[in-house]
Amino acid sequence: DTEVTQTPKHLVMGMTNKKSLKCEQHMGHRAMYWYKQKAKKPPELMFVYSYEKLSINESVPSRFSPECPNSSLLNLHLHALQPEDSALYLCASSQPGGVYEQYFGPGTRLTVT
Amino acid sequence: QKEVEQNSGPLSVPEGAIASLNCTYSDRGSQSFFWYRQYSGKSPELIMFIYSNGDKEDGRFTAQLNKASQYVSLLIRDSQPSDSATYLCAVNTDADYKLSFGAGTTVTVRA
Repeated sequence: DTEVTQTPKHLVMGMTNKKSLKCEQHMGHRAMYWYKQKAKKPPELMFVYSYEKLSINESVPSRFSPECPNSSLLNLHLHALQPEDSALYLCASSQPGGVYEQYFGPGTRLTVT
Repeated sequence: QKEVEQNSGPLSVPEGAIASLNCTYSDRGSQSFFWYRQYSGKSPELIMFIYSNGDKEDGRFTAQLNKASQYVSLLIRDSQPSDSATYLCAVNTDADYKLSFGAGTTVTVRA
């Protein structure tokens, strides 16, 4: 089963709102990722968790706050976002170690108004 | 700095033909190579991965890797209209979770 799920599918939020994106995988993977993708661009890595610990933070602004409550779940907390943060937010998972294939979830389409 | 370059598109092929997608990478330490298909408005879907030199076939898809030339390709045989999508080449190095993506090649299969 190569499934990663994400909720919600779509999210519209104002610049003063606080919201969270959720991701879940049941593949037994121990590495999970958040990516941001703008239209007609490849995904850009934001964060990597390995064994539930933050492994990589690609200098993402603090208005994005990741959380990994357990090996199956990954959250991205959003606060005081800007309109330029509107994008497709993708979660992915893989076996730990860095070389293994990453499986993406369906994404959350975020619009900041 | 890892760089991944893909042949510029868009690529238009007739139904039933072979679509050939090319990708070069700059980091000789790269260990794993992936092809993702992305339909408009959807997320990337892994269609092939390859770690060793040579060919790897899966159905109508064949990935080819040549580490000496730092080159990886994807062939789509008997192209179907449902193959119309953007194809992303991605490269990784050992002990590094960061995937380096190419800009993508958009393929259109015309009936």
